[in-house]
Amino acid sequence: AQSVAQPEDQVNVAEGNPLTVKCTYSVSGNPYLFWYVQYPNRGLQFLLKYITGDNLVKGSYGFEAEFNKSQTSFHLKKPSALVSDSALYFCAVRAVGYGGSQGNLIFGKGTKLSVKP
Amino acid sequence: NAGVTQTPKFRILKIGQSMTLQCTQDMNHNYMYWYRQDPGMGLKLIYYSVGAGITDKGEVPNGYNVSRSTTEDFPLRLELAAPSQTSVYFCASSLGNEQYFGPGTRLTVT
Repeated sequence: AQSVAQPEDQVNVAEGNPLTVKCTYSVSGNPYLFWYVQYPNRGLQFLLKYITGDNLVKGSYGFEAEFNKSQTSFHLKKPSALVSDSALYFCAVRAVGYGGSQGNLIFGKGTKLSVKP
Repeated sequence: NAGVTQTPKFRILKIGQSMTLQCTQDMNHNYMYWYRQDPGMGLKLIYYSVGAGITDKGEVPNGYNVSRSTTEDFPLRLELAAPSQTSVYFCASSLGNEQYFGPGTRLTVT
């Protein structure tokens, strides 16, 4: 079955420290991988994606993610966390055949990132 | 561009009532989606559309209906509201790989 796992419900980081939010996936074929961020009472905002090419993908607000095919992972990272990064982060994979042949997104459960001053 | 807009922002329904959640996008995207978000459960796909006149079921379609008469609009209909439909509903649209989300509708069924 195709799925996305975010093993941590919450990640706590001190401001200025590096952060990592973990994501692993299981999908048939080559994955299209995404990270979205959700601020309180808002919709999801696109951060970055991996389709093909370099395993290290750079996105909005200084975030980056590393695609690791052997470990089926796509962890989100940032070298220096800001208090304003505190939000809910969702990993997603585009799965061909899910919800039809168009290839809709399967989302993880989300990880709450809390950055303290 | 306003992007994806949703109305209403909040709604309380009694069991058995019906309502329509409105979704409009002004980006001329062919694909549109309806998700529900329950605490700790991520987003689940309810229905999606690949263009005007074409809709299909997602993962959790029971209790909902949709229509897509225009490229811009993708309303979600709840016919007989049930407490299990208490959730936050998000509409999204896409042209390529990235999906653009509306601000959501928080629905409570009591």
